[in-house]
Amino acid sequence: SYELTQPPSVSVSPGQTARITCSGDPLPKKSTSWYQQKPGQAPVMVIYKDSERPSGIPERFSGASLGTTVTLTISGVQAEDEGDYYCQSADRSGTYPEVLFGGGTKLTVL
Amino acid sequence: QVQVVQSGAEVKKPGASVKVSCKASGYTFTDYYMHWVRQAPGQGLEWMGWINPNSGGTKYAQKFQGWVTMTREKSINTAYMEVSRVTSDDTAVYYCAREMATVFRAFDIWGQGTVVTVSS
Repeated sequence: SYELTQPPSVSVSPGQTARITCSGDPLPKKSTSWYQQKPGQAPVMVIYKDSERPSGIPERFSGASLGTTVTLTISGVQAEDEGDYYCQSADRSGTYPEVLFGGGTKLTVL
Repeated sequence: QVQVVQSGAEVKKPGASVKVSCKASGYTFTDYYMHWVRQAPGQGLEWMGWINPNSGGTKYAQKFQGWVTMTREKSINTAYMEVSRVTSDDTAVYYCAREMATVFRAFDIWGQGTVVTVSS
């Protein structure tokens, strides 16, 4: 079955850059979004359409897509960025699941 | 403000049904698809399906076809998701999530989640 693969965990020190990858072969190319989830809270969208930021999301969050991998980059990580991050693909072709989430990555700020 | 508010926690016995509600406010309910996503304890997010609040049309992820039903009541801006014949595997937090108007299957507004516990 088709899957999106994320690293289980990423650790960075405050002020450094965190990069979280999401790969699928091939990666459905309709749209990829990223969500941040803190313990006990609902997910929050931080990136949509591979690289667009919703209103209210800090500029340190950015996204990019290259081949079969999309990457969420958090520049100048802050303690408040700690949490779980999920990528999500969307496909209307019928070839892949219409909506699929990656397994999630736990970001730890050291 | 734009928000979706879900119903409270549920405890069900195996074999029962559970129905979760999701009330929208601050926007035109019928203009945006509503999706349901669940998260088992300690696990990731799992997409269940969507409902078009305007037409009532639905689509379910293959895993949930036949035992999950999504409905809506336009007069009160509320979407519902019902799971029938629940088992312990259905213990999870269930979220409703609004799809963006201009981006296919991207979710900009999430409910607070409804905890469903299945226990005998």
